Parts: sequence; structure tokens; C-alpha cells
Amino acid sequence: KAGVTQTPRYLIKTRGQQVTLSCSPISGHRSVSWYQQTPGQGLQFLFEYFSETQRNKGNFPGRFSGRQFSNSRSEMNVSTLELGDSALYLCASSLVPGQGPAEAFFGQGTRLTVV
Amino acid sequence: KQEVTQIPAALSVPEGENLVLNCSFTDSAIYNLQWFRQDPGKGLTSLLLIQSSQREQTSGRLNASLDKSSGRSTLYIAASQPGDSATYLCAALGHFYSGNTGKLIFGQGTTLQVKP
Repeated sequence: KAGVTQTPRYLIKTRGQQVTLSCSPISGHRSVSWYQQTPGQGLQFLFEYFSETQRNKGNFPGRFSGRQFSNSRSEMNVSTLELGDSALYLCASSLVPGQGPAEAFFGQGTRLTVV
Repeated sequence: KQEVTQIPAALSVPEGENLVLNCSFTDSAIYNLQWFRQDPGKGLTSLLLIQSSQREQTSGRLNASLDKSSGRSTLYIAASQPGDSATYLCAALGHFYSGNTGKLIFGQGTTLQVKP
């Protein structure tokens, strides 16, 4: 079956702009999480969505937001981009904890460069 | 607050060696622990998942163990190959009832180089 799909794969944006990233989870997976990966901070949790509701949020400013649609696809948005937002953004999907092993499967990521 | 640490940060071995990667976590109340592989510029590939009630999992040349009482997990790679060269990450998932839904806490990873 198809894996987690993230689009686009690469983005170059200018400071001050906003960006929207997309994630399509594995069919049947209802939980979608987002992570930011940078060389200095490693992998950091942004937020998690289930049934169109944000259930958990990491320590990121309000410029980072997301949403989930009824088909479980998710988008994240970053407004007023800063140079420090340059990173690899990864999306993961899983079954819901408590209903199985909750193994997380990741997409290939979106490489965002802010100039 | 859960913290995950991986030692060593980098490892270089000759082809054919057996090796062990270490992962430690501070909060033993985990739902599961997962090992991933990441190639440069790529996403994460799930290697093994150990649920909190399990002690180990095996897949091919890989074996992962979990000791919650000591807060440790190890990934054993047998007969290493140059194709195993990558960064290996471990991540702990907390219980959903503790508000940690979907939040994996990652270690900084161990970058492995297997020389031909």
C-alpha cells in the first residue's frame, strides 16, 4: 500500500512569506504528526491531529499551525517565515495509540529553505 | 519530561562487524519505543518497534531490546554491510492518557559508517 506522501519535496521562500505543506497519510491511519528537523535541534515535535482535531502541540510559536481534513490528510502552515525556519519538515502517520502498536511511518519530508 | 539520549553520536566499523547502538530514556512510562533509519536528506524508515510489554524484536540482521526498568534500548546489527551506513534514531512514545498522543521523543541519533 502507498506510504506517507508529502508535497512539495522542496521549497524556497523569502523571509516574511508564508508556506503551506501537505501530508497524505497511509490509508486507514487517522493520526498525523508533524516534526521539524534541523542540524542543531534534531527532530522536534510540532503537533498531532486526529479526527480533524489537534490533540497535542509542541513548543513552537503561533506562526506554526496545522489542520486535518475529513479524509485524514493534513496541512501545516508557517506564516511570516524567518531564516531559522529553514529545516526538513517531516510528517508521520499511525493508527491511534490504544488500538494497536501505534507504529509511526514517515514521509520523505519537505525541505524548506528561507532566504 | 521525557529525554532520550543516544550514544555514541558516530561510529565507524569495518564491514562484517557486529555492532550495538545504545538508546536511553528518562521516563519508563512509555507506550512503545521505535528505531528508525535515516539516509542523508531523506525521511525516516521504521526498522523495529517494541511495545512496552515486550523485551525484544527481530527483523533480519537487526535485533532491538527494551529494558524499561533501566531506561535502555539497544539495536544490534549483525554482520554489518556498507549499505547499513546511515543515521539511526530511537524514539519513545508516551501513553495517550498522559497527553503525549502522537508525540515521539527522539534521540540525536548515531551516524554509522560501515567501511568496505
